[in-house]
Amino acid sequence: ETGVTQTPRHLVMGMTNKKSLKCEQHLGHNAMYWYKQSAKKPLELMFVYNFKEQTENNSVPSRFSPECPNSSHLFLHLHTLQPEDSALYLCASSQDWAFQETQYFGPGTRLLVL
Amino acid sequence: DQQVKQNSPSLSVQEGRISILNCDYTNSMFDYFLWYKKYPAEGPTFLISISSIKDKNEDGRFTVFLNKSAKHLSLHIVPSQPGDSAVYFCAARGTSGTYKYIFGTGTRLKV
Repeated sequence: ETGVTQTPRHLVMGMTNKKSLKCEQHLGHNAMYWYKQSAKKPLELMFVYNFKEQTENNSVPSRFSPECPNSSHLFLHLHTLQPEDSALYLCASSQDWAFQETQYFGPGTRLLVL
Repeated sequence: DQQVKQNSPSLSVQEGRISILNCDYTNSMFDYFLWYKKYPAEGPTFLISISSIKDKNEDGRFTVFLNKSAKHLSLHIVPSQPGDSAVYFCAARGTSGTYKYIFGTGTRLKV
């Protein structure tokens, strides 16, 4: 596979469930990102990992827990979510967390919290 | 407060005509800008970028114009084709402090 892949593509979960979103990039990039897109709102950056180290946490609630075991894989662990967390979650990667780097996005996971 | 604004949620253009998508920003520290295109059920894909040292960048049918004094960015698509129908996002980034991109809410283009 090429580019940035995300699984699952769709997820429905209850507020007491624990689930994980997975992202994999096949571009040889060193930086990976999680974004959230709620309806009629701009993309919001959640987390940034550069060379497996978290460099940015954009005031995200602790019920979202990222994990980056290597430069190719990124997870977002979800637990005790709220209905307002329902959104499209997008993963992206870039060569580096640096000046003027274009980010490449995956197709997203559409999450519904009941 | 939104630092990057796309005030037109939708735009309809006839095939063959010019599409003009607009983006305004408030932070004068932004000096690198991108446009992304998004089809349904797909992630955003990079389209074209411009640095603040330029006022125009062209790539085939796509041209981005930057007016720094007005803090305004526009994307021109000429000629527009049915395959251009998508949601277009502009994004802006500063060069000091944080490298994160700030995105607009998008404009849905229908050709």
